[in-house]
Amino acid sequence: DIQMTQSPSSLSASVGDRVTITCRASQSISTYLNWYQQKPGRAPKLLIYTASGLHSGVPSRFSGSGSGTDFSLTISSLQPEDFATYYCQQSLNSPRSFGQGTKVEIK
Amino acid sequence: QVTLKESGPVLVKPTETLTLTCTVSGFSLSNDRMGVSWIRQPPGKALEWLAHFFSNDEKSYRTSLKSRLTISKDTSKSQVVLIMTNMDPVDTATYYCAREVGISWGDAFDIWGQGTMVTVSS
Repeated sequence: DIQMTQSPSSLSASVGDRVTITCRASQSISTYLNWYQQKPGRAPKLLIYTASGLHSGVPSRFSGSGSGTDFSLTISSLQPEDFATYYCQQSLNSPRSFGQGTKVEIK
Repeated sequence: QVTLKESGPVLVKPTETLTLTCTVSGFSLSNDRMGVSWIRQPPGKALEWLAHFFSNDEKSYRTSLKSRLTISKDTSKSQVVLIMTNMDPVDTATYYCAREVGISWGDAFDIWGQGTMVTVSS
């Protein structure tokens, strides 16, 4: 099974900051990597698919990059509504797997 | 409009069997490159993928829970059912179903249900 590891587990940032979250796969997954945002008490929402594709309706301040085993999600200018937990997920094969999450908090 | 809605018991006792139903609307379970996954989240913890039923009738399960899980679908009722046996308090979680769809050359969970909280306690 493919293991997904995110770093950091949490971070504090201010509105307007540039924020980068990383995700590492235990084996190469090409670009079969998705990113989700989850706010407390809510279901996750898809942000990025196949490593760098911006899902419909997602603001352009979100971007994804990477291939193979190393990936990143960047928020170019953090907005108040971006404080949430972010998860990466591999879709190369089954069983599917998620990272442990990165909580973005207000500094 | 595409929606998914989970239903099932709020409370189950240890050793009992949990049956959860995901009722979908706005798409067909027989559509190409489309399926439904079950994903859970224990309180304060990360998302855990459990199982999926894909359009080509492929089924897959979380390795550590494979012996306890069964997923099935009823296309005519637009439902995907997850059965988990021998429930334990550590299985207390919010259980989500999500549509998995082919996007570009990959697959992603693009639409999620609201989730249903299941507590395992005697």
